Amino acid sequence: KQEVTQIPAALSVPEGENLVLNCSFTDSAIYNLQWFRQDPGKGLTSLLLIQSSQREQTSGRLNASLDKSSGRSTLYIAASQPGDSATYLCAPPRGTGRRALTFGSGTRLQVQP
Amino acid sequence: DAGVIQSPRHEVTEMGQEVTLRCKPISGHDYLFWYRQTMMRGLELLIYFNNNVPIDDSGMPEDRFSAKMPNASFSTLKIQPSEPRDSAVYFCASSSLYRTEGTEAFFGQGTRLTVV
Repeated sequence: KQEVTQIPAALSVPEGENLVLNCSFTDSAIYNLQWFRQDPGKGLTSLLLIQSSQREQTSGRLNASLDKSSGRSTLYIAASQPGDSATYLCAPPRGTGRRALTFGSGTRLQVQP
Repeated sequence: DAGVIQSPRHEVTEMGQEVTLRCKPISGHDYLFWYRQTMMRGLELLIYFNNNVPIDDSGMPEDRFSAKMPNASFSTLKIQPSEPRDSAVYFCASSSLYRTEGTEAFFGQGTRLTVV
């Protein structure tokens, strides 16, 4: 059974800081990993999908890395802004060949103006 | 594309009543997922379909829950009878194995269910 841990659980930083959100998972036989953002009371917005053949994936100020062998992924947010305040969720597949995702508890980010 | 569409957005019902949640996946996606989110348990998979066929329903809490996908553009999640502990946000998501976006999953806005 895939288990996902996200550290830290919560983070409060001043605007402009570069941030690192960590995710670890127990079943490394995955073909990709997805990062989501969830605003309070809203749905999940896909941020990045990183394939197992890639080591990094970038979208604007976001960069995600994946190290399957160690069961870790990192989401890097550059030059954080108040609009980045949300909960960030890491979601690898449930296991080999499985399409459904398993979610961590998330990192709740607050960026102070 | 309008994305994954769920209805209703909010549902308040009395204990014992039947509740039906609806989902329209993104056109062309061949996987559809139902998740439930609560403060205590986070996001949990309930069931998912591939080409309208249920593949894994091991997350369905009990027989009170049922899901159907009669065609590629529509799915329902039904709770009968509903109980207060079913109160949660229910999300529908879809993804595709064969489109250029790969296996990225897209989520609807969710249905917030309150059972009183």
